[in-house]
Amino acid sequence: SQKIEQNSEALNIQEGKTATLTCNYTNYSPAYLQWYRQDPGRGPVFLLLIRENEKEKRKERLKVTFDTTLKQSLFHITASQPADSATYLCALDLTGGGNKLTFGTGTQLKVEL
Amino acid sequence: DGGITQSPKYLFRKEGQNVTLSCEQNLNHDAMYWYRQDPGQGLRLIYYSQIVNDFQKGDIAEGYSVSREKKESFPLTVTSAQKNPTAFYLCASSVNRGNTEAFFGQGTRLTVV
Repeated sequence: SQKIEQNSEALNIQEGKTATLTCNYTNYSPAYLQWYRQDPGRGPVFLLLIRENEKEKRKERLKVTFDTTLKQSLFHITASQPADSATYLCALDLTGGGNKLTFGTGTQLKVEL
Repeated sequence: DGGITQSPKYLFRKEGQNVTLSCEQNLNHDAMYWYRQDPGQGLRLIYYSQIVNDFQKGDIAEGYSVSREKKESFPLTVTSAQKNPTAFYLCASSVNRGNTEAFFGQGTRLTVV
């Protein structure tokens, strides 16, 4: 069956380092992939969208890559700060119809001083 | 301010009772979604609607019902047939295309007592 996998173990890094989170998917080749941030008790907030014909996308300290051969997206936060601590979710449409957005389980990031 | 509003934030229900969660958006979005999130889990799609008067089942629709009589509103009813309804419920909306982000409400935490 089609699924999205994110590392369920929390990622702890030191302030100022680069955090790298992974999103893997199986079977389907989506046209785009999205990344969201979720803080405890709140709804997810959209961060970045990358299309299948884009290898890399940047927004301020955030960078996303999309390797359709490996079926993997990497999400990087450079010069990480304690305020970046949150759960990060990847999402994509596994059906091809464009609107059935399916989310991974998310990876919790903790940036320590 | 444009946005998506869920109410109430906290809801308690007795076993055997139906309860309806409200979701309203003023973003003029055609597509709306309901997700369920359990502790430490990702988001699971319950129902989604791409246009008024039409909706489709997601991955875990059993025990839930929805309606889409107005573009702005997509209420979710948790019926007594839902065996484990205690969870965090998230509503989202998006432009009805596959390459745009979803905007989420702040969620409703439902507890069965």
